[in-house]
Amino acid sequence: DTGVSQDPRHKITKRGQNVTFRCDPISEHNRLYWYRQTLGQGPEFLTYFQNEAQLEKSRLLSDRFSAERPKGSFSTLEIQRTEQGDSAMYLCASSLGLGQRDAYGYTFGSGTRLTVV
Amino acid sequence: GIQVEQSPPDLILQEGANSTLRCNFSDSVNNLQWFHQNPWGQLINLFYIPSGTKQNGRLSATTVATERYSLLYISSSQTTDSGVYFCAVGLTGANSKLTFGKGITLSVRP
Repeated sequence: DTGVSQDPRHKITKRGQNVTFRCDPISEHNRLYWYRQTLGQGPEFLTYFQNEAQLEKSRLLSDRFSAERPKGSFSTLEIQRTEQGDSAMYLCASSLGLGQRDAYGYTFGSGTRLTVV
Repeated sequence: GIQVEQSPPDLILQEGANSTLRCNFSDSVNNLQWFHQNPWGQLINLFYIPSGTKQNGRLSATTVATERYSLLYISSSQTTDSGVYFCAVGLTGANSKLTFGKGITLSVRP
């Protein structure tokens, strides 16, 4: 068990470019979450997968954002036409989840820091 | 949506001192977790504690769900305890997504 891995660790991109981030969760975890954190704030929920199904998306996730989790394993988060306001730390977490109402502790990855210039 | 308030916002301790961090939340929850974010940004899960009391070494946590608050106790603090402590809660039946507080910044001085 190598924990939750995120790639890349840092990304600098020009405004208007597309970027894609990858998250590899703990292998036995069926739930995967994306959060965004800006300086001085707590992480904010973006979206959530149970296996390969995307079950919830935050209103923070505009049409320029898309996330996938093919085959219920790794996940990607793509941002199209990046804006300076997208600059943030993008965090991925995974957890177990057996039923609809149960909940378990999260394990977070180290995050991808995005800077849009 | 659910509101999460943490107090105090900042805390400065001398090494060896004890402290209590508080988290109040505005609705019933079935998921409450405490995290420590170290100076390099890594979020470490300290406790999954929707109710009751747990202890792990020098850290312990208590959640009183009926009164909508949780406490994190740090005893004999060390400089490595420095960082930001987040409380995060999940609403009953809401697919276990978490709403985070703004965090408590702890500085432990040698």
